[in-house]
Amino acid sequence: IAGITQAPTSQILAAGRRMTLRCTQDMRHNAMYWYRQDLGLGLRLIHYSNTAGTTGKGEVPDGYSVSRANTDDFPLTLASAVPSQTSVYFCASKTSGRAGELFFGEGSRLTVL
Amino acid sequence: SQKIEQNSEALNIQEGKTATLTCNYTNYSPAYLQWYRQDPGRGPVFLLLIRENEKEKRKERLKVTFDTTLKQSLFHITASQPADSATYLCALDEAWAGNMLTFGGGTRLMVKP
Repeated sequence: IAGITQAPTSQILAAGRRMTLRCTQDMRHNAMYWYRQDLGLGLRLIHYSNTAGTTGKGEVPDGYSVSRANTDDFPLTLASAVPSQTSVYFCASKTSGRAGELFFGEGSRLTVL
Repeated sequence: SQKIEQNSEALNIQEGKTATLTCNYTNYSPAYLQWYRQDPGRGPVFLLLIRENEKEKRKERLKVTFDTTLKQSLFHITASQPADSATYLCALDEAWAGNMLTFGGGTRLMVKP
């Protein structure tokens, strides 16, 4: 069982380039999330999706977009990368119900130069 | 403003002792609180969930308390082992926030043999 798969694992990107981080889950969870993790700031929610076809903004959505065309995939796109988007990005999904635990991927380390 | 505070300084303890980590929050009314473990270069892994009407929850060597009056959760690891060395994150969910969890910055625990 794979759980949450993220790709790429690591990427170096020139500022101004477009980048899509991929996230796929095989647990049929309705809710999915993108977080970024920066030293001293912890995990911050970028965007979320409660079910296929719907998305919402988290705490730090500017510069990012997401789509949820189906249950399994939740890609995160940086339309024009900036150095402040250098971070480790985690995708997560959640079991049914409000009190469900989050299942995280292993992260995508992005460096924008 | 809303804050979730965990001690940003590493906690160093001797093997066999009990480790106690603290999660304090302000301007939240969480319906439940979760604890996660994160190893370097890996995604967080769920450990325990405690609801607002529960005072204490146990799982093997782990114990979590939740005091909504003090706005604090304590996370205990008894008979600690070097393998328990990791960063521990607390996360809150509020009733109005739907499916969204907000994370603290985490506390790094080092258990020395």
